Amino acid sequence: AQTVTQSQPEMSVQEAETVTLSCTYDTSESDYYLFWYKQPPSRQMILVIRQEAYKQQNATENRFSVNFQKAAKSFSLKISDSQLGDAAMYFCAYRSGNYQLIWGAGTKLIIKP
Amino acid sequence: DSGVTQTPKHLITATGQRVTLRCSPRSGDLSVYWYQQSLDQGLQFLIQYYNGEERAKGNILERFSAQQFPDLHSELNLSSLELGDSALYFCASSGTSGRAFDTGELFFGEGSRLTVL
Repeated sequence: AQTVTQSQPEMSVQEAETVTLSCTYDTSESDYYLFWYKQPPSRQMILVIRQEAYKQQNATENRFSVNFQKAAKSFSLKISDSQLGDAAMYFCAYRSGNYQLIWGAGTKLIIKP
Repeated sequence: DSGVTQTPKHLITATGQRVTLRCSPRSGDLSVYWYQQSLDQGLQFLIQYYNGEERAKGNILERFSAQQFPDLHSELNLSSLELGDSALYFCASSGTSGRAFDTGELFFGEGSRLTVL
C-alpha cells in the first residue's frame, strides 16, 4: 500500500527567508501525481502545487517550488521569500491509481517576523 | 472560492443525536469525497461517491452513512454521536473533464465544524 511520510511535525523560518518541507512516499506505481496542500488557520484546504510523476521538470508556482526525486521517492516543497501569510499546516498527498489521495500527517510552518 | 459549498459551517449537538452535513460540489464535478479532521490531526478519508454511486470507502464508522443524489450534491449522516466525533468534516469534489480529473486534484469546501457536547 502507498504511504506518505512527512517527518517534520513543525518548522519555523524567518520572514523573507527560504524553507524546505520534506515529504517521502512509498509506491510501486510508475505513473502518479503528487500534491502539496496548505491549510491556514481558517482551516480551508488550498492546493499549493502539483507534480506529475512522468514529468522530470520540477513544478513551480511563484514562490513555491518542488524538488521531485522519483528514484528516491522524495517530494519536498521549497518556499522562497517566506511571508507571514504562508503560516499554515502543509500536507503532502499522493494520488494513487484508484484516484484516492493518500495524505501525510502534515507539517506546521511558523513564520517569524 | 473553490466552488464547493458545505452547510452548516458550525454545528453543536449532544451525544446520542443525529446530524446531517450537506455538500454541493463544483459545477460538473462527478466525484464527492468526505474527510474527517480531528483537532491537530491530518485528514481521514471517509467515503467517496462518483456520479451517485459509492466508489471507495475509508475509515467510516457504521454509525456514519452518506449518499450522493442525482443532482450530485451529497449528504453525510452522523448518528448516535459521541464526544469523539467532534471534528471538522470536509467535503471535496473532483471529476470535471480536463486536467482536474486527470490529476485527481481535489477542491475542498470550507468544512463543517461539529461539536458534540
